[in-house]
Amino acid sequence: SQQGEEDPQALSIQEGENATMNCSYKTSINNLQWYRQNSGRGLVHLILIRSNEREKHSGRLRVTLDTSKKSSSLLITASRAADTASYFCAQFERGNEKLTFGTGTRLTIIP
Amino acid sequence: DTGVSQDPRHKITKRGQNVTFRCDPISEHNRLYWYRQTLGQGPEFLTYFQNEAQLEKSRLLSDRFSAERPKGSFSTLEIQRTEQGDSAMYLCASSLVQTERAKNIQYFGAGTRLSVL
Repeated sequence: SQQGEEDPQALSIQEGENATMNCSYKTSINNLQWYRQNSGRGLVHLILIRSNEREKHSGRLRVTLDTSKKSSSLLITASRAADTASYFCAQFERGNEKLTFGTGTRLTIIP
Repeated sequence: DTGVSQDPRHKITKRGQNVTFRCDPISEHNRLYWYRQTLGQGPEFLTYFQNEAQLEKSRLLSDRFSAERPKGSFSTLEIQRTEQGDSAMYLCASSLVQTERAKNIQYFGAGTRLSVL
């Protein structure tokens, strides 16, 4: 069963605006990863943040991690139509060799 | 293309039939994972291999499901006596994990969409 919850479930914004997605999890993690999935396709890794890190940047992506609250957020700045996709957080747990995915946020960028 | 490939992309079958899916991982990757994803949900872990050894199976993987990775390269996932509840996207992923501190970033194939009628 999935252990992560993502919020919101769906988000629609105008092109050029920033999009923020949140993820909560239940267990101790080694790292937390964010993936993107275009409709009907496989997942693409976006960014990884280790449990001892608080913030990470990659291009237009910014990820934060609060292990005390067991939560993470993904910020996409200056959104583009091509960012339209589903976004999933995934926890890689200590001693557990698999990724546990959240329920995902469906992001729609309106041109 | 040196990414993860899955075959077939789509499979339609009748209830009770057996189906087999294939996954070819990135060549140097030692880990191979199978996930199942239903509409509107995130992927759920089914099983994984380190080289040819199957190291973990989810409780989701009933005895109708079997996976193999005979030479530590490609893998197959077979579902026997398919049921309508097996309809889903089956995703394969691979990763290179060499140390305990490895990040385990997984690279996914495009998936096989199974429809059981």
